[in-house]
Amino acid sequence: ETGVTQSPTHLIKTRGQQVTLRCSSQSGHNTVSWYQQALGQGPQFIFQYYREEENGRGNFPPRFSGLQFPNYSSELNVNALELDDSALYLCASSREVAAQETQYFGPGTRLLVL
Amino acid sequence: DAKTTQPPSMDCAEGRAANLPCNHSTISGNEYVYWYRQIHSQGPQYIIHGLKNNETNEMASLIITEDRKSSTLILPHATLRDTAVYYCIVGLAGGTSYGKLTFGQGTILTVHP
Repeated sequence: ETGVTQSPTHLIKTRGQQVTLRCSSQSGHNTVSWYQQALGQGPQFIFQYYREEENGRGNFPPRFSGLQFPNYSSELNVNALELDDSALYLCASSREVAAQETQYFGPGTRLLVL
Repeated sequence: DAKTTQPPSMDCAEGRAANLPCNHSTISGNEYVYWYRQIHSQGPQYIIHGLKNNETNEMASLIITEDRKSSTLILPHATLRDTAVYYCIVGLAGGTSYGKLTFGQGTILTVHP
């Protein structure tokens, strides 16, 4: 139990639709990172939010966007869903943006795009 | 970020030490070595990290070679619940790299009764 929660736990969408995934960070954490994990692969970094600003982005197209709110919770939005977007989406929070800070992961949201 | 190389799978008997190796020959001086594990259908779990010195916590020990080109994660008394994918990650050097964990394929550790 890491104190990081994600909703929903599972989601089914069709190609072309839009989806919003939510993450509540651990108390006292101001940094949230999002990852995509395809079946059988390691998680891939999407982007990170630090104090409501994007602070680094992985190799994902602009249709992947995010927000961080004043309470440091975060949303991941994906527009124009494609079949390959089917994956486990993980968020992780940490106290600060620093190399020695541990990231605590939530249980993930499993998205299936049909 | 430096790349890491891990064996795809390893087995260990319950109660014995599990030693998981990781090569990171291109690691730079300010990059940390992190270990996370992922039990089936759960989010990754932090285990331990280090920069130069060996580290120990309640879960595991991390041994980093003097040249920092490789490391070993040691689970001293493996249990069935330690069966998971173990990821060795190097990075977080600074700037926008902070927080960006670059996961590879990891090592599937299976602990047998």
